[in-house]
Amino acid sequence: GAGVSQSPSNKVTEKGKDVELRCDPISGHTALYWYRQSLGQGLEFLIYFQGNSAPDKSGLPSDRFSAERTGGSVSTLTIQRTQQEDSAVYLCASSLLDRGGTGELFFGEGSRLTVL
Amino acid sequence: GENVEQHPSTLSVQEGDSAVIKCTYSDSASNYFPWYKQELGKGPQLIIDIRSNVGEKKDQRIAVTLNKTAKHFSLHITETQPEDSAVYFCAARAPWGSARQLTFGSGTQLTVLP
Repeated sequence: GAGVSQSPSNKVTEKGKDVELRCDPISGHTALYWYRQSLGQGLEFLIYFQGNSAPDKSGLPSDRFSAERTGGSVSTLTIQRTQQEDSAVYLCASSLLDRGGTGELFFGEGSRLTVL
Repeated sequence: GENVEQHPSTLSVQEGDSAVIKCTYSDSASNYFPWYKQELGKGPQLIIDIRSNVGEKKDQRIAVTLNKTAKHFSLHITETQPEDSAVYFCAARAPWGSARQLTFGSGTQLTVLP
């Protein structure tokens, strides 16, 4: 079975350009998360989608960041007018939530973004 | 919101020795504490988790302990092997109805020396 798939695996862009990062979650997983991992740092929560509920956008660092999830499956993270501090690995994860509201997160291998 | 502190940031041990990584959390309502292992170039992968209704859980060479009063939990790896070398992240999550995302610690780079 396929795991979480992210594309592109690597993206180099110039400051000021827009980028789109794509995540294909595991089929049937209702929850989808985006995290950012800067060099040598932990995992910074960005946004969370659960079913048809309104997404939790509380982790997005600025209004240049946005994400959508179409049809409850594929998600796209968009960064507008990229800055050098946006350089990081962007990780997507999906999960099934049990009744306790917990569930193992299955991560993709990430999209490494470098802003020159 | 939840804040998770993790120590140490780097840890080197000799093969066969034990490794201990410690985390503290701030939200007393948190009730789920997983540990993830991230190998180079890969996404993190769950290795063990514990819920707040138990104090310890073991799975072969790894174990996790939880002290709810002190709000800290630890990962113990015994008889370490070179393949245990990776970055380990602890995390905490508040109960259903609150923020549902995991809050991760800053990670520990574990190196097992042959």
